[in-house]
Amino acid sequence: GAVVSQHPSRVICKSGTSVKIECRSLDFQATTMFWYRQFPKKSLMLMATSNEGSKATYEQGVEKDKFLINHASLTLSTLTVTSAHPEDSSFYICSARRTPANTGELFFGEGSRLTVL
Amino acid sequence: DAKTTQPPSMDCAEGRAANLPCNHSTISGNEYVYWYRQIHSQGPQYIIHGLKNNETNEMASLIITEDRKSSTLILPHATLRDTAVYYCIVRPNTGNQFYFGTGTSLTVIP
Repeated sequence: GAVVSQHPSRVICKSGTSVKIECRSLDFQATTMFWYRQFPKKSLMLMATSNEGSKATYEQGVEKDKFLINHASLTLSTLTVTSAHPEDSSFYICSARRTPANTGELFFGEGSRLTVL
Repeated sequence: DAKTTQPPSMDCAEGRAANLPCNHSTISGNEYVYWYRQIHSQGPQYIIHGLKNNETNEMASLIITEDRKSSTLILPHATLRDTAVYYCIVRPNTGNQFYFGTGTSLTVIP
């Protein structure tokens, strides 16, 4: 089946630094990828839709300058948390939709746990 | 996207069928019902989806009522590894975003 991989799976950083998380579709092309954030014991919250070759579309309340998204190729999207603070500590999950879409399902990565000290 | 309502938690005995309900009374004609599950600290895993006919695959069965206002995910023989949060999502098949609700936390008991 389709595989989406994220890296790193865990990252710890100091407050004020920036952290980049990669999301790759390993065996299919993905015109569109999605980034989610999940706090402990909470559901997944959609942050933004990443479109290959164009600007990402952010959900209401998500700061685009805080969470920079780049989707430079059909298999890679990156999320950069800029000037991270402890409140940015969370589980970040990406997903991708196969292009061309056949079933409509999304394939999810394993998630990246960010801890900001 | 249509809103879904699921019970927050359920228990199921190992080896028995787990029946997880989902209400989606405002579902539109072009919206599919998707089920995903999330095992602790992992990304969501696709289970099954359907439009109006019942569906079955190697993981589960999906029963959608005739009026499409509710559905039930059935895990025929639950195992301890099926303990997870199960999410019911409705969206158009050609639509982009998946919005997750609160899901049902299923605990399979030995």
